[in-house]
This record gives sequence, C-alpha cells and structure tokens, in this order.
Amino acid sequence: GQQVMQIPQYQHVQEGEDFTTYCNSSTTLSNIQWYKQRPGGHPVFLIQLVKSGEVKKQKRLTFQFGEAKKNSSLHITATQTTDVGTYFCAGPTRGNKLVFGAGTILRVKS
Amino acid sequence: NAGVTQTPKFQVLKTGQSMTLQCAQDMNHEYMSWYRQDPGMGLRLIHYSVGAGITDQGEVPNGYNVSRSTTEDFPLRLLSAAPSQTSVYFCASTGSKTQYFGPGTRLLVL
Repeated sequence: GQQVMQIPQYQHVQEGEDFTTYCNSSTTLSNIQWYKQRPGGHPVFLIQLVKSGEVKKQKRLTFQFGEAKKNSSLHITATQTTDVGTYFCAGPTRGNKLVFGAGTILRVKS
Repeated sequence: NAGVTQTPKFQVLKTGQSMTLQCAQDMNHEYMSWYRQDPGMGLRLIHYSVGAGITDQGEVPNGYNVSRSTTEDFPLRLLSAAPSQTSVYFCASTGSKTQYFGPGTRLLVL
C-alpha cells in the first residue's frame, strides 16, 4: 500500500539554527498536509499544499511540495524553543484515507 | 465551540475487558476518523466515517468497532482488549480541508 516516509526521525538543534524535515511518498499525492504535535499534546494542522512545486510560508516556516507531487519539505528558519515538538506530514490515499509519516521529533537547545 | 472532545483522558484495562472511547464534535463535520499513535509509527487510521450511518475501515481496524448514529458522535469500541492495543487514541473531524484532532485518550491494557 501507499507509504509516506519522513526523515530525519529526530533532530536536536541549537536555538537560532535552521531545521528541515523531508517527506517522501511512494505514490503521487493529490495534496500533502503538515501537522505539529507538542509533547503530550495532539496534532495540530499547519498547512495543506495542493499544487506541483507549491511553496507556502508561515512566518519562519516554509513548506514546499515537489514538482512530481511525491515529496515535500518543511523548513524552519532560526528555530526557537516554541518550535519543539513532532512534525508530521500526511497524504491521502486513492480512497481518501490519510496516511501519516512517522514524524520528525525536533528538540531545541537554548 | 468545544471542537473535538474525547473521553476518558486515561484508561487502564485488563486483557479481555471491553470499553468504548467517546468522541464528539460540535462543528457539524461529516468526516470523522479514529487514529492510534504508537512511538516511532506516526498516526495510523483505525476507522473513519463520511457521515451518519456510514463507516469504513482504515489501516488497522482489527479489534475495533465503530458506529455513527449522529453527525456529532463517533465512538470507538474495543471488543476484547489486548496488550497490543496499548496506545494513544485520537479522534479527528475534518472540515474545510482541515483536520481537527481531539486531546486523545491514553489507554493501557494489562
């Protein structure tokens, strides 16, 4: 079945450094969604990308959807301690069920 | 507007016991789903519903039942709990292409 893979599994950065997580799907996606989950919390929707090559920004976060619509990335510029958490990507299957990546855990040292 | 609510927050069960995890949303969303989250595995879809009276299986449906008698409620039933069902369970409802997650239920099966 469809698989969504995320790397890295874990990243520990110094506050102020940049951070990137990558998401790759085994099949072409109609869209890709990104979520953030704070420690002990629930996933919170960040954004959805639909178009090939799309780039969207939310303050220090930049989201990209690949030209082939099989990969995506989330880049955080100048991380802050408030960025700590797990970042998930997710893409719909043909049956419109959402498949999540395993997530990237971000820790920020102040 | 409470969003998505889940009860209980925590539950300990013995192997073989049954229980129902409650989920309710007040956003009038048609699409609702149940996920389980295990360390290093992201969120996996258990069951979902596209509207009252309509449910379907997700990625990991075995050992779980659902029903959708109203738009607001989407309970998840564990028929005979097993230690492998120890997990964090999230209910979600989808509207305007955004998926809203509940706070989760932490379940331990001994």
